[in-house]
This record gives sequence, structure tokens and C-alpha cells, in this order.
Amino acid sequence: TQLLEQSPQFLSIQEGENLTVYCNSSSVFSSLQWYRQEPGEGPVLLVTVVTGGEVKKLKRLTFQFGDARKDSSLHITAAQPGDTGLYLCAGGPGYGQNFVFGPGTRLSVLP
Amino acid sequence: DSGVTQTPKHLITATGQRVTLRCSPRSGDLSVYWYQQSLDQGLQFLIQYYNGEERAKGNILERFSAQQFPDLHSELNLSSLELGDSALYFCASSLASGLAGGGSYEQYFGPGTRLTVT
Repeated sequence: TQLLEQSPQFLSIQEGENLTVYCNSSSVFSSLQWYRQEPGEGPVLLVTVVTGGEVKKLKRLTFQFGDARKDSSLHITAAQPGDTGLYLCAGGPGYGQNFVFGPGTRLSVLP
Repeated sequence: DSGVTQTPKHLITATGQRVTLRCSPRSGDLSVYWYQQSLDQGLQFLIQYYNGEERAKGNILERFSAQQFPDLHSELNLSSLELGDSALYFCASSLASGLAGGGSYEQYFGPGTRLTVT
């Protein structure tokens, strides 16, 4: 069974600070996605990374897929209160395997 | 707006009862996924359908069942409800099946149904 771990579990920072959250697995994934979820709402897809070593930027967010396609990171520059939410990574699909979601990193950006 | 719709938005029912949650995928998407999210918990994958057929099964209880109809909408049936079934239930859709073979498997989530069992 493929498992995804995310760290840290919780993160509380001040507006303007930078942060990095991580998504790790012992398994290789054909792709990895990042979602952001606000309380009571469905997750919203932020990005998909497919190629090992790939880096994608979305405004202040930078996503990286590990060379071995087992891990990924999300870096936020100059965090804003609007970045507050649960950040979920999801891996897959693998051959004969479905999507797997990590437990998430709950980010709180204080004004 | 993801294009995925779920009804009802809220549902309150008693233990032992049966409920049906409904999901309409994005136009053109063939896969529907169901997830359960309890308070402050992550997403637990329940089941996936692709073009009317069950494709993958996760941690779905025997009291729960789902189906996908010819028009591609899906229903999740929850029976003999227990207090612990109270949760947010999300539906997501994607174009592809999620298995290796190509196609876009990015998932788009609906707004969820909040089920409260009393």
C-alpha cells in the first residue's frame, strides 16, 4: 500500500514569512498533486507535477517533485492570511493503484 | 466553481437510518470518486467508478455502497447509520480512470455533503 506522509502537521506563521511543507513516500509515484482545502469546502487543485526534478511556480507558490518521484515540497514566499488552509498532497496513479492522499499540513498565517 | 455538484449540502438523520448522497461530475469527466472526511481528519478514499464500472475500492464499509449511472452521475448509499458516520462526504471527478494508461486524472472536488447522525 502506498502511503504519503506530510510534514509539518501544523504550521502557524506570521504574514510575510516564508515556509516549506513536505510530502514524502517510500513509493514512486507517476505524478503528484497539491491541493488546498478551506474549512467546510472541497479541496482545490493547485498543481500537478509529473517529471522527476520538475519545478512549477504559481505566483508565490513553488512546487518541486523529487528526482526519484518519491517526494515533493511546496514553498510559499511572503505568506498571506489568504494562504491559510489545509494543504494536501496526493500521489498516483501507479500501475494498478489509485490515488493516495496525505494527511495534510494545516497552515495558519496570522496578520 | 469546480463544475462538480453534490446534493444535499447538509443532511441530518438518526442512527439506523439510510441516506443517499448524489454527485454530478464535471462535463466530460468519466471517473467519480467518493471520499469521507471526519472532523479535522484527512481524506479517506471510499470508492471510484469509471464510466459506470467500479474501478477501485478503498476503506468503504459494507454498510456503504455506490453506483454510477449511464448519465455518469453517482450516488453513495449509506445504511444502518452510526454516530461515527458523521462526516463530510466529498465527490470528485476526473477525465481518466486513474490507472496507468494516460489521460488527465486530476481530480476536481465538489462542495461536499455534511452528514450529521444523531
